[in-house]
Amino acid sequence: GAVVSQHPSRVICKSGTSVKIECRSLDFQATTMFWYRQFPKQSLMLMATSNEGSKATYEQGVEKDKFLINHASLTLSTLTVTSAHPEDSSFYICSATHRAGANVLTFGAGSRLTVL
Amino acid sequence: DAKTTQPPSMDCAEGRAANLPCNHSTISGNEYVYWYRQIHSQGPQYIIHGLKNNETNEMASLIITEDRKSSTLILPHATLRDTAVYYCIAVIQGAQKLVFGQGTRLTINP
Repeated sequence: GAVVSQHPSRVICKSGTSVKIECRSLDFQATTMFWYRQFPKQSLMLMATSNEGSKATYEQGVEKDKFLINHASLTLSTLTVTSAHPEDSSFYICSATHRAGANVLTFGAGSRLTVL
Repeated sequence: DAKTTQPPSMDCAEGRAANLPCNHSTISGNEYVYWYRQIHSQGPQYIIHGLKNNETNEMASLIITEDRKSSTLILPHATLRDTAVYYCIAVIQGAQKLVFGQGTRLTINP
């Protein structure tokens, strides 16, 4: 079955530093990946749509310069939280579809970011 | 995408059937109903989806009313591992982007 891997699963960083989270589709090619953020006891919030070979599409209210997304290959998308602050502490989750035109998303296990 | 409404929480005894309702009264003819669940601190997991016919797979059954304004996800024999937040989403096939609501927090009790 389709597998999406995220790395790291947990990261702690100091305020002001940048953190990169990787999302890989292990056994399929994903031209589109999605990045979500989830705060405690809240639902998933879609941040952006990552498109292979082109610029990501950000949801309203999400700062593109703050959350840099790169989708350089059909199996890898990265999210970089730049100049992280404590309010960026959250659970970041990526997802991808393994069949064009389908809504069956496979999600990664998530990356928990804690900014001190 | 049509708005969906789910109860915030439900409880079910282990071994019994868990029936999770979802209201989607404004659903359009080309929108499917998708169900995902999220176990604590994990990524969401796809469960099942349907358009108008009832569907069944190894995880669950999906019952969609004839007018398509509501649906019920059925976990036939709930186990403790089924404790999770269950999300019902109405979306046009092929739209890819899924927007999650608040879901139903299902607790399976021993």
